[in-house]
Amino acid sequence: QAVLTQPSSLSASPGASASLTCTLRSGINVGTYRIYWYQQKPGSPPQYLLRYKSDSDKQQGSGVPSRFSGSTDASANAGILLISGLQSEDEADYYCMIWHSSAWVFGGGTKLTVL
Amino acid sequence: QVQLQQWGAGLLKPSETLSLTCAVYGGSISNYYWNWIRQPPGKGLEWIGEVIHSGSSNYNPSLKSRVTMSLDTSKNQFSLNLTSVTAADTAVYYCARRPLAEGRFDSWGQGTLVTVSS
Repeated sequence: QAVLTQPSSLSASPGASASLTCTLRSGINVGTYRIYWYQQKPGSPPQYLLRYKSDSDKQQGSGVPSRFSGSTDASANAGILLISGLQSEDEADYYCMIWHSSAWVFGGGTKLTVL
Repeated sequence: QVQLQQWGAGLLKPSETLSLTCAVYGGSISNYYWNWIRQPPGKGLEWIGEVIHSGSSNYNPSLKSRVTMSLDTSKNQFSLNLTSVTAADTAVYYCARRPLAEGRFDSWGQGTLVTVSS
């Protein structure tokens, strides 16, 4: 079982909100990890969006709009990237990442389609 | 604003050694971790490892036996060597900077496609 699991794709309409999940493997408690989120558009390297562990331990990337925010769902053992007021430019791949067992580990990524 | 520019051979044969270099412009190479991350075509990201100016390094356990990273402070460059490549090593390789005590990769190179084929 992968350390981090993300749905492969998600579709949402312009102006709506999208909730991208990053589920941690059973036995790895989401509450103990800083979860990092990256956005990648075709042909470009990923760009850092934000980090979230708790409301008292979070960081927004430089220049990243406030409509990108992080949270967790302890019951689902998952980190969440919430994008509100979706715009066409938000169409991209999104990756979560944690530091686990002496390595930076990425989720498989979610392709967000805005249509 | 720091810029990372990377280069290296784009086509290798199986069993050869992959060598890539990343130059850091507009910033010091000190006080950061310097990373390599790869992405197979159409797939997700995989962290390869990181090196810091003190000479300390961390490698992905899955690649550790084949990876060597080094840093040249005089040239503001760092490098990746990956030995005994196979087709599974075909990927876009990125260099990236990570501030100390932070998990974010805040600056990235443009990426280099390395293809392993006989």
